[in-house]
Amino acid sequence: SAVISQKPSRDICQRGTSLTIQCQVDSQVTMMFWYRQQPGQSLTLIATANQGSEATYESGFVIDKFPISRPNLTFSTLTVSNMSPEDSSIYLCSVTLMAGSYNEQFFGPGTRLTVL
Amino acid sequence: GIQVEQSPPDLILQEGANSTLRCNFSDSVNNLQWFHQNPWGQLINLFYIPSGTKQNGRLSATTVATERYSLLYISSSQTTDSGVYFCAVVGTSGSRLTFGEGTQLTVNP
Repeated sequence: SAVISQKPSRDICQRGTSLTIQCQVDSQVTMMFWYRQQPGQSLTLIATANQGSEATYESGFVIDKFPISRPNLTFSTLTVSNMSPEDSSIYLCSVTLMAGSYNEQFFGPGTRLTVL
Repeated sequence: GIQVEQSPPDLILQEGANSTLRCNFSDSVNNLQWFHQNPWGQLINLFYIPSGTKQNGRLSATTVATERYSLLYISSSQTTDSGVYFCAVVGTSGSRLTFGEGTQLTVNP
């Protein structure tokens, strides 16, 4: 398995501000993702964080709102920009461990964001 | 993209009861995983099961890939089993998980 940590674990922010979430993995991984879980909903993929290049965003998510960095194979950040109450969600970092045909995905503990 | 449907959406049990959760998916998959999200929001990996049957204590899972469904069995349920159970898949043409809507399980003492 993979040990994934996220910081902060939770935060309460004011409308119009930005928050950067950090994700650290205990081993080098190729695939790294960011998900959002709105209250009472399932998980939705925001983007794939690519090492050394721009992230690949899913439909409905844009770089200006959710800039992502991935400077190496163990670390990534997600910024939630110009926040509004609709951004209140749990944000989760995820990685895939791959070996041949095996490809299991693991999740960090999440960052619980409340926007006032 | 691939579609994932879970049933039932909600389930209430008395402690000690058994249950079966179902996951249907719309296309061939390379990966299927079951997760338990506890009340604190942590996603816990239960099974990596693109095909076949696995057991872990009181939990077991079966995936019939040719018929595009998976089942999660919980036996002798405990209050700590409460939470949301998610099924998620990776289609053969994809590289990341697509989640179902989850089953909210409540186990009463």
